[in-house]
Amino acid sequence: NAGVTQTPKFQVLKTGQSMTLQCAQDMNHNSMYWYRQDPGMGLRLIYYSASEGTTDKGEVPNGYNVSRLNKREFSLRLESAAPSQTSVYFCASSERGSSGNTIYFGEGSWLTVV
Amino acid sequence: GDSVTQMEGPVTLSEEAFLTINCTYTATGYPSLFWYVQYPGEGLQLLLKATKADDKGSNKGFEATYRKETTSFHLEKGSVQVSDSAVYFCALSDPGGGADGLTFGKGTHLIIQP
Repeated sequence: NAGVTQTPKFQVLKTGQSMTLQCAQDMNHNSMYWYRQDPGMGLRLIYYSASEGTTDKGEVPNGYNVSRLNKREFSLRLESAAPSQTSVYFCASSERGSSGNTIYFGEGSWLTVV
Repeated sequence: GDSVTQMEGPVTLSEEAFLTINCTYTATGYPSLFWYVQYPGEGLQLLLKATKADDKGSNKGFEATYRKETTSFHLEKGSVQVSDSAVYFCALSDPGGGADGLTFGKGTHLIIQP
């Protein structure tokens, strides 16, 4: 039972490079999320998608783009990476929104921008 | 906007000690409240949740009661084990707050010594 799978697990980028973090869930969930985790900051929402074909900004969207490719997949793209984007990124999903519903998290992607 | 405040730690306890991790929140609507746990190198896992005032969430010996009058959701366990060492996050979801997704506290690092 895979749950939420994200790739890659580790990545080192040079400033200005681009990359895409991939995420897929096999639980037939409608809602998907991307968070970043930084020391002393907890987790902060970057973008979310309430359903296939829709995306919305979260708390810290600047420097990122997302694509809800289909119901299963939700990717996060860094067009021009900056050192401030060094973080651990988590993809997550829930059946239908976060209100009262459990959100399931992937194992994280460690990104370093040098 | 919505916010969650929790003691940051690290909190160091001896095995079999009583645990309390304080969590208070600010929300515009009627939030659902969650505790998530993160073990080293892993994603977040739901520990327990409560969706309305006076509800008590419980799991694996942990408990938390939704107190609307004090806007709190403190995590407790009667006798901790070394295996409970992890980072604990208090979080809320607030449909009245606009955006979907969880608002997290900064996390509490718990260390249990044998």
